[in-house]
Amino acid sequence: EDKVVQSPLSLVVHEGDTVTLNCSYEVTNFRSLLWYKQEKKAPTFLFMLTSSGIEKKSGRLSSILDKKELFSILNITATQTGDSAVYLCAVFGNQFYFGTGTSLTVIP
Amino acid sequence: NAGVTQTPKFQVLKTGQSMTLQCAQDMNHNSMYWYRQDPGMGLRLIYYSASEGTTDKGEVPNGYNVSRLNKREFSLRLESAAPSQTSVYFCASSERGSGGTYEQYFGPGTRLTVT
Repeated sequence: EDKVVQSPLSLVVHEGDTVTLNCSYEVTNFRSLLWYKQEKKAPTFLFMLTSSGIEKKSGRLSSILDKKELFSILNITATQTGDSAVYLCAVFGNQFYFGTGTSLTVIP
Repeated sequence: NAGVTQTPKFQVLKTGQSMTLQCAQDMNHNSMYWYRQDPGMGLRLIYYSASEGTTDKGEVPNGYNVSRLNKREFSLRLESAAPSQTSVYFCASSERGSGGTYEQYFGPGTRLTVT
């Protein structure tokens, strides 16, 4: 059965902390892994990864994929209150599969 | 560009009633999707359409039907609503690229309550 598992389920940190969010997967015919940010509305796209070992960066966010071990991590450095959201991991194989998300709360 | 639009934004149905959720995208994408999102369950794919004229079942298709009316529009129909279909419904679109798909763009969602 295809599945995507995210951990932790929730996380509370203080502003300025660095966080690492995890996504592991077992998906047939893997093609790509995507990270989204969801703030009480529709998910917004962050990264798409298709190759192992290549880090994608956007400001304080970065992500890397390990296709051998079937996981990805999303790092957020110097967290801000605006980073508070649910972060979703999705894997595209024969169709899209989403994890349940990690809820991040950043306290001032 | 409006991106992906959905109507209605909110809907309350009684058990057994039918309704159609509408979705349209103006990005000329080939692929469109319908998801439902329930607390603690993440996003689950109901149906998708890889291109105009084709539709396929996703993870949770029971109780739903879809129509890819043209390249822009993809509708989701509940023929006989049940309380288990209370959820937030998202439509999305993407353009298929080599080796995978580009990012999906999501509509604002429809909050459906079935009593």
